[in-house]
Amino acid sequence: SQQGEEDPQALSIQEGENATMNCSYKTSINNLQWYRQNSGRGLVHLILIRSNEREKHSGRLRVTLDTSKKSSSLLITASRAADTASYFCATDANDYKLSFGAGTTVTVRA
Amino acid sequence: NAGVTQTPKFQVLKTGQSMTLQCAQDMNHNSMYWYRQDPGMGLRLIYYSASEGTTDKGEVPNGYNVSRLNKREFSLRLESAAPSQTSVYFCASSGGEGGKNIQYFGAGTRLSVL
Repeated sequence: SQQGEEDPQALSIQEGENATMNCSYKTSINNLQWYRQNSGRGLVHLILIRSNEREKHSGRLRVTLDTSKKSSSLLITASRAADTASYFCATDANDYKLSFGAGTTVTVRA
Repeated sequence: NAGVTQTPKFQVLKTGQSMTLQCAQDMNHNSMYWYRQDPGMGLRLIYYSASEGTTDKGEVPNGYNVSRLNKREFSLRLESAAPSQTSVYFCASSGGEGGKNIQYFGAGTRLSVL
């Protein structure tokens, strides 16, 4: 069964606005990752946050992790049309496997 | 570097036919994975190979077999295709550097079983 669940399932925002999506998971993890998938393409790794970290930044991306609540959030600031994609969280329990959520579809309107 | 290459990109099969999906990576990664992605769902792991010479079942292995041919190549075989196997299949690889299982994905194979 899938470990991560993203919320919301879909998000539509205006260019320049921020987009926030959340991920909840069920078991202990080594790290949590976020991936992006553009339409018709494979997934691309965006950012990884370790279980002992609370916040991480990469460019316009900000990820938080709350292991006590088993949840993470991904914030994309100043969104652009090119950010239109599906975003997936993936949990790594240090067993060679990742467990992916169902994803959040983000549409950025011009 | 090409990264992860999957062939074919598209395939249409009739129920009962067999086929092999090919995957190759040029990043010298130890681990390789096969996933399927169905509409509105995330990726579900079919099989994985943590290192050359080993393969293990994932979440949805029924109806599939795999072969880790060498460090570069990991193939997925459908022996008798069923309509329920209509999906998009992704291969991925990971080097596991620093204990981080960051995965690199191919472009996918879109399979329809009629």
